Formats: sequence, structure tokens, C-alpha cells
Amino acid sequence: NAGVTQTPKFRILKIGQSMTLQCAQDMNHNYMYWYRQDPGMGLKLIYYSVGAGITDKGEVPNGYNVSRSTTEDFPLRLELAAPSQTSVYFCASSYSDRGTEAFFGQGTRLTVV
Amino acid sequence: DAKTTQPTSMDCAEGRAANLPCNHSTISGNEYVYWYRQIHSQGPQYIIHGLKNNETNEMASLIITEDRKSSTLILPHATLRDTAVYYCIVRVATGGATNKLIFGTGTLLAVQP
Repeated sequence: NAGVTQTPKFRILKIGQSMTLQCAQDMNHNYMYWYRQDPGMGLKLIYYSVGAGITDKGEVPNGYNVSRSTTEDFPLRLELAAPSQTSVYFCASSYSDRGTEAFFGQGTRLTVV
Repeated sequence: DAKTTQPTSMDCAEGRAANLPCNHSTISGNEYVYWYRQIHSQGPQYIIHGLKNNETNEMASLIITEDRKSSTLILPHATLRDTAVYYCIVRVATGGATNKLIFGTGTLLAVQP
């Protein structure tokens, strides 16, 4: 099993550009999450999903969009990149909503200039 | 939502036990305590979780006080590779029984040779 796979690993965007961060998991997990981590800080939840077709906002959703058309994939969309979105983005998944562990990808390091 | 309080940093000598404390005084009866760690620049890694009983696995032990208002993560024989930020998390439940993992700032454990 590959676990949680994020692509790309690194990306530089110009202000105003858009991009999609990809996240895929092969563990048949219902729950998926997107976090961002600014330098020296903890992780902040952006969006999460409890299953295909269902998404909800986390702590810091502004400037981002998500979709969940399949169980395996949970892409994160940045429509108008801003310098404040420079961060490391982590995707995670878990089987259920309690009593189980979450598995994290290795992150996407995004710089907006 | 229950919040957690952890020391910002701790040191531990290699080969000795590392005891990482966490306060969660507002925890409710059906909320689990989770521990994750993040080694520099990597995605967080699950360590252990518990509800009310003490738990042990191959990585660590989790001691939860009887009133559940605090817990301690124990790494029995710390190695240099255990140097990381350790996050204590109380699993948050919202109206739809959706549990979100909300991270704080964690404890930076530095294992010294």
C-alpha cells in the first residue's frame, strides 16, 4: 500500500495564479483532511471530508476549495494564490471518526511570490 | 471543544525515559486523547490514543489520570531519532458526529546524546 500520496512535493506560484494540490489514499478511508503548517507553527485544518460528496470547512478555509468525487481522492484548489498561502500543506485520511489513527502524506511545500 | 496545554519544549537524555505531559481539563466523557509526533519537515505520525484506560504499544505508553483531566506520554528509552514535536490532541466531535483532529503547538522534545 502506498498510503497517502501528495503531489507535487514542491511548487512555486505567482500571485494570482491557481493550482490544485492532489491527495490520494489507497486504504479505503472515509475521512480525509487538509492541513496547512506555517513555519514554526502547528497544523491548521483547512477542509475535511467524511465521504464522497461530503465536505466541510475547518479552521482556515478562506482562499481554498475542495471536492470529493471519489473515496480515494481529495484535491485542494487555490484559485487566486496570495503570499499568505505560502505554507506546507498536509493531507491525511482515517478510517472512521473515532478511535482510529490518521495517516498523513509527506506534504506539499508551496511558495507564492 | 476540549483544549490541550503542553510545555513548549523539553530535553531528555538518550536512553532515559521521556515523559511528556498534557493537560486537557475540559475533556468530555466521549473524547479520546491522541498523541502524534512530527519529525522535522515530515508529515505527523500517529503514536497512541486512549479513552480512559492506560495504553501501551510498541512505541510508547499513555497514562491518563482517573479524572481524565491530564495525561502523560512515555517513551521508555528515548533515542536521538525521537527528537520531534509531540502533539497531544483531544478528538473533537461536532453535531454530525464528525471528529476533526485539531492540532495545537505541541512540545518540542530534544533528545540529547
